[in-house]
Amino acid sequence: DGGITQSPKYLFRKEGQNVTLSCEQNLNHDAMYWYRQDPGQGLRLIYYSQIVNDFQKGDIAEGYSVSREKKESFPLTVTSAQKNPTAFYLCASRIGDGNTEAFFGQGTRLTVV
Amino acid sequence: GQQVMQIPQYQHVQEGEDFTTYCNSSTTLSNIQWYKQRPGGHPVFLIQLVKSGEVKKQKRLTFQFGEAKKNSSLHITATQTTDVGTYFCAGLKTGTASKLTFGTGTRLQVTL
Repeated sequence: DGGITQSPKYLFRKEGQNVTLSCEQNLNHDAMYWYRQDPGQGLRLIYYSQIVNDFQKGDIAEGYSVSREKKESFPLTVTSAQKNPTAFYLCASRIGDGNTEAFFGQGTRLTVV
Repeated sequence: GQQVMQIPQYQHVQEGEDFTTYCNSSTTLSNIQWYKQRPGGHPVFLIQLVKSGEVKKQKRLTFQFGEAKKNSSLHITATQTTDVGTYFCAGLKTGTASKLTFGTGTRLQVTL
């Protein structure tokens, strides 16, 4: 089946540790995105990538890092510099050109204790 | 930067009542998309509007794109319990091909 896979669904980490969230897609989409969802704040864009080996900061990139070494993969690292990392993280992809819809993964709920 | 706000943040209606959510962008958009997120789920694409003043319908749902391409609305006629969820608008700022910015969302609760 084609789609976007995020793993794991739930993740627990101790404060001060870096953690990497996985996002893989087999839709052959060029553009990939990471959003953070907090209650009452909608989906806020962390990073996005239009093509392999290139990515841009979104609106809340501080404390996060990404890589785009392969077209199908866009992992997100939540670093210890992120002050409030507990949230629901959603990965998405689109064909990338023009007016195309985004497809989302199931999300990863990260809890930092 | 580009901001996309939605109102209301939350609405609770009785089944059969109508519902409207409004989306406002601080910048002109090349398109507007609407998504629905069921409780515990992920956003799922509903529709896209591209032209100024465009109106589209999907059964009981009516979507409008403003003349200035900076605002949009989603109207649901005669809500049903299956309409429960959070509705998001999302847009591409004119001149940017990839930065898809989502609105703050409107959570709809429908009771019998």
